[in-house]
Amino acid sequence: DAKTTQPPSMDCAEGRAANLPCNHSTISGNEYVYWYRQIHSQGPQYIIHGLKNNETNEMASLIITEDRKSSTLILPHATLRDTAVYYCIDLAGGTSYGKLTFGQGTILTVHP
Amino acid sequence: NAGVTQTPKFRILKIGQSMTLQCTQDMNHNYMYWYRQDPGMGLKLIYYSVGAGITDKGEVPNGYNVSRSTTEDFPLRLELAAPSQTSVYFCASSYSNRNRYSNQPQHFGDGTRLSIL
Repeated sequence: DAKTTQPPSMDCAEGRAANLPCNHSTISGNEYVYWYRQIHSQGPQYIIHGLKNNETNEMASLIITEDRKSSTLILPHATLRDTAVYYCIDLAGGTSYGKLTFGQGTILTVHP
Repeated sequence: NAGVTQTPKFRILKIGQSMTLQCTQDMNHNYMYWYRQDPGMGLKLIYYSVGAGITDKGEVPNGYNVSRSTTEDFPLRLELAAPSQTSVYFCASSYSNRNRYSNQPQHFGDGTRLSIL
């Protein structure tokens, strides 16, 4: 079972920032926070990951609280193509084989 | 780079038939994985491999077999297809340098949609 909790759905207007929250109540010290998304009928797509510090890449920004119990994925300028199911995952680094366990995720709908 | 390529994209099988789902990656990743995703559900790990010649079971391996003779290829074999194996199958790969405090993301193919009738 997934160890993270996310709201089941969110809406966002096109061009606005989408802020997707996640709770990581049982995250351990060697586990990274990962975000993936799955657009309908496609394979999961990696977005971003981090351990303690906030991270930014060409797709999104990741904010991790100091106690690491929650994170927020930020899509700065959402487009219609960002409509997807978004998953946050706690994943151990290094020697584990990194099995992904997706929970129910958040269905993000971007509307015009 | 093509990334992770899966073939075929769609397939319909009759009960009892066998087939091989192909997966190849051109990123020189050492880890490869097979997942299945049933409608409205999350991913379930079938098998994984940490390098050529090494494979291990995931959480739902029954009815499947794998091999990893090269770094690039990780085929999944269904020997006696059953209706319960109707699903979307995803192959993924990642690189691990076995450093306790680092990890790299998994990259997925577009999936094979398999129906068994």
